[in-house]
Amino acid sequence: EAQLVESGGGLVQPGGSLRLSCAASGFTFSAFSMSWVRQAPGKGPEWLATTKQGENDIQYVDFVKGRFTISRDNAKNSLYLQMDSLRVEDTAVYYCTKWMGAQSILDCWGQGTLVTVSS
Amino acid sequence: DTQMTQSPSSLSASVGDRVTITCRASQTVNKYVNWYQQKPGEAPKVLIHTTSNLLSGVPSRFSGSGFGTDFTLTISSLQPEDFATYYCQQSYNHPITFGGGTEVEIK
Repeated sequence: EAQLVESGGGLVQPGGSLRLSCAASGFTFSAFSMSWVRQAPGKGPEWLATTKQGENDIQYVDFVKGRFTISRDNAKNSLYLQMDSLRVEDTAVYYCTKWMGAQSILDCWGQGTLVTVSS
Repeated sequence: DTQMTQSPSSLSASVGDRVTITCRASQTVNKYVNWYQQKPGEAPKVLIHTTSNLLSGVPSRFSGSGFGTDFTLTISSLQPEDFATYYCQQSYNHPITFGGGTEVEIK
């Protein structure tokens, strides 16, 4: 059974940085596209970035371009999100997600890691 | 970006009721709408993909329909475990976008 476990969240000041990690197990990590999705309190989920099977095939939502960097290490079955220049509005639970197919059907989600940006 | 507008934002229903949730896209998304269920403190879980395809293990009381810009999620007979928040998501246009959610509460 596929499992995703995020880590790295916490409290950070505006302008600071955090690196989130996601450990994958139970499936062939290198064969699947992976995404980061976040959810602010009381809001719907918000897609941030995707890395497809090839480590260089990456897409971002516009509002994180230049601030967030998604990466993967297929040898370590791990997904990462480097977040720089954090803003108060980046406060959310961040989820690591796995795609089911070519379309972004997010069929496995981690438990989430809370990022709080506050002074 | 493709805006996904869900209605209603919340509803109260009783066990056994038929419940319909709608999702309207601001531009065509073809058939590429997925539906998720989220319970408090948990991550979303996909129920239906590509408009009407149930994921393995999802009860048959859930169904989806639509095409283009208008989509619906129907629960034919609401069960106690179905009280949750439901989200639609489009995967046709970049960026991927979600609806704001419909909270299904116990009447």
